[in-house]
Amino acid sequence: ETGVTQSPTHLIKTRGQQVTLRCSSQSGHNTVSWYQQALGQGPQFIFQYYREEENGRGNFPPRFSGLQFPNYSSELNVNALELDDSALYLCASSLPQGAGETQYFGPGTRLLVL
Amino acid sequence: KQEVTQIPAALSVPEGENLVLNCSFTDSAIYNLQWFRQDPGKGLTSLLLIQSSQREQTSGRLNASLDKSSGRSTLYIAASQPGDSATYLCAPLGGGADGLTFGKGTHLIIQP
Repeated sequence: ETGVTQSPTHLIKTRGQQVTLRCSSQSGHNTVSWYQQALGQGPQFIFQYYREEENGRGNFPPRFSGLQFPNYSSELNVNALELDDSALYLCASSLPQGAGETQYFGPGTRLLVL
Repeated sequence: KQEVTQIPAALSVPEGENLVLNCSFTDSAIYNLQWFRQDPGKGLTSLLLIQSSQREQTSGRLNASLDKSSGRSTLYIAASQPGDSATYLCAPLGGGADGLTFGKGTHLIIQP
């Protein structure tokens, strides 16, 4: 059984650019959530995908968008990057959240916006 | 809106001590609560999950309790070891698809 994987591990972008981060969920998990963790803070919920549909969203602007594919892998896209978008982006997979299942996190992608 | 507070923010103790990490949350309408550890620059490792109907959950030297009505959870670490050094985060899961809400964590250092 493979765990949650994310790519790339590190990324440097400039303000105004766009970025795509990728996540492969743990085998058998059909729900993927994305979180942003700024330095010294706890992770903040961005959004969740279940069966290729967004079914929950935190307090993030529309320039944060995502996709989930039929194999349950997922992408996080951020447009018009701002300096404050510099953070560790974490992906977590689980069985549907309504079942109260454990969420398993990947190693994260460290994004630096200059 | 759920808010999570973890006390203390940082803790440094000698190896072998038993210790308690505290977590409080403002909205008691939760499905479950997870405790995680995070090593510097790394992702989160799930330690324990307590369902809202449970009072306690144990895994090895770790024991987590949950008092949903008072909005409190504690993580007890027995016989601490230097390898336990990490940041510990608690995260209740609310209804629907709201995602986990995290505190800022407790930064734990176990001195050899």
